[in-house]
Parts: sequence; C-alpha cells; structure tokens
Amino acid sequence: DIQMTQSPSSVSASVGDRVTITCRASQGISSWLAWYQQKPGKAPKLLIYAASSLQSGVPSRFSGSGSGTDFTLTISSLQPEDFATYYCQQANSFPPLTFGGGTKVEIK
Amino acid sequence: QVQLQESGPGLVKPSQTLSLTCTVSGGSISSGDYYWSWIRQPPGKGLEWIGYIYYSGSTYYNPSLKSRVTISVDTSKNQFSLKLSSVTAADTAVYYCARVSEIFGVMYYFDYWGQGTLVTVSS
Repeated sequence: DIQMTQSPSSVSASVGDRVTITCRASQGISSWLAWYQQKPGKAPKLLIYAASSLQSGVPSRFSGSGSGTDFTLTISSLQPEDFATYYCQQANSFPPLTFGGGTKVEIK
Repeated sequence: QVQLQESGPGLVKPSQTLSLTCTVSGGSISSGDYYWSWIRQPPGKGLEWIGYIYYSGSTYYNPSLKSRVTISVDTSKNQFSLKLSSVTAADTAVYYCARVSEIFGVMYYFDYWGQGTLVTVSS
C-alpha cells in the first residue's frame, strides 16, 4: 500500500496568514492526489483533485501543487472559516485508496 | 445537487454484522458516470476507505477489510449498501457514503459525501 504522510500534524495560524501543508507519498503517484477539508462533526469536503485542480465552488485562496511524491496545499490568506482539519488522498495505486493522517489548522 | 444519506443501526453487538444503506438523490446511480463508496472514521482518528461499487455491481475493496466486507447496489431504489461482518470494537466509527468521480480511469476522488452515521460496536 502507498503510505501518505502529512506534515505538520497541526499548525497554529492567524487570520490572514499564508498556510502550507505538505503531503508525501511513499512512492510516486504522478499527479493523482486530492485534498479535503473537514470541520468538526461534518463530512470531508473536496477542495482539490489531480494535485492542482480546484473543485467548483472552492475559494481561489486554496491551491495545490506537486507531483511524484511531494505535494502541497496552500491557503494564501487564512479566513476564519478555514480552521479545520485537512487530508490528502492518493488514487494512483489501488486498492486501497489511502488518506494522509490529517493536518489540523488551529487559531493562534 | 446530488445528496447522499446513510441509514442503519447505530449500535451493533460484537461478532455481528454491521449493515448500512446509502440513499442517493439528485442523480441516478444507473447513469454509470460515477462509482459509489464507503469510507469510515474512528472517533478522533483519520479516514479509511472501505470500498466502492459501480452500478453494474463491480466492486473494489480495501484488502485490509476484504474478507469481511460486502458492498451491493440496488439501482431500482437508487441505493447502495455496506455489510461488515464479525465486527469488534475496532469497527466503531462514523461511516460515510460518498460519490466517486474519476479522471482518465486513474484519478479517483470523493466529490459528494453523506453526513455520516456513527456506528458503535458494543454489547
């Protein structure tokens, strides 16, 4: 199975900050990576697919980049509604589809 | 707007079978444009993909659960279902159903999710 490792596991930031989350795959997955946002008690929400394609309706302050084994999710200017946990997910080699362990973005 | 809704018992006894159903509205499972999946999340932990099904009945399962999982589809009711046998406390989790989109038959991602349902395994 391909292992997905996210870092950091948590980050404290202020409104307006630029936040970058990293996801590393245990082997190359081309650009077949998605990012999700999950708020407490809610289902995950798709933000980005194919590493850098923004899902319809998602604010443009979210962006994704990377290919191969190293990927990043960037929030250019953190907003109050962005405090949540973020997960990456690989789809290059399955079964199984696998998720990263999550990164919690907390208020500083 | 596609909507998914999970239903089923919130409490299951150890060694029994967990059964959940996902009802899809706003779109037809039979369209063949998407796959339909189950994902779970133990309390306070991360996400684990369980498996998915195509309208034709073709399935893919997580190898770690494959011996205990069955996913089926009822296109007449626009529903798909999950059965997980021989459950233990480790199967306690919020179970989500989700729609799976794909690109070029390679990139699979979950674009619509149900709200999730907590299933507790306890005697």
